[in-house]
Amino acid sequence: EIVLTQSPGTLSLSPGERATLSCRASQRITSSYLAWYQQRPGQAPRLLMYGASSRATGIPDRFSGSGSGTDFTLTISGLEPEDFAVYYCQQYGSSLALTFGGGTKVEIK
Amino acid sequence: QVQLQESGPGLVKPSGTLSLTCAVSGGSIRTNNWWNWVRQPPGKGLEWIGEIHHSGSVNYNPSLQSRVTFSVDKSSNQFSLQLTSVTAADTAVYYCAKFDYAYYGLDVWGQGTTVTVSS
Repeated sequence: EIVLTQSPGTLSLSPGERATLSCRASQRITSSYLAWYQQRPGQAPRLLMYGASSRATGIPDRFSGSGSGTDFTLTISGLEPEDFAVYYCQQYGSSLALTFGGGTKVEIK
Repeated sequence: QVQLQESGPGLVKPSGTLSLTCAVSGGSIRTNNWWNWVRQPPGKGLEWIGEIHHSGSVNYNPSLQSRVTFSVDKSSNQFSLQLTSVTAADTAVYYCAKFDYAYYGLDVWGQGTTVTVSS
């Protein structure tokens, strides 16, 4: 079973700053199978990125994803007020169809 | 535009059975997508429960496999979750969501329903 570890647990930043979130897998995973979600307080998660680096429909270009193998990164180039939320990475695998990371909370400093 | 809506009791007694239904609107459940359940305990992260295809094929999270059963009702365009022998640890917001192979992810989510296990 692949385990996804996200870091840091909490990121305290000011609006306009750059956020860098990490997702590390316990085994090599296919980039096509790596997705990111954003969850705002009281809301359901929404698909943010897929295939490690492709933005989902309607996602602004300040969000970008990168990485391969076991290390993946979500970057928010300039934080807007609505970006303060919790972010989860997720991988698709054959044995356990979906696995989520523990999440990174981006909070206002 | 597919939309999902969860429904079911908000309170379940310990050792009882949790039953939820997810209604699919704006599209057919008879597609090549998989229909998923995900839960989130209060203040915690997301846990994948499992998925069902309209053909009836299922995949369950091994940690819950002994207690969970999914079913699909194609005539009503909905799918359901049953979780038996519940404890307080099963208290969570339960989401249904659509998996799409275009993303290898969950692109449509229901709003979620809170289920509390308590006597």
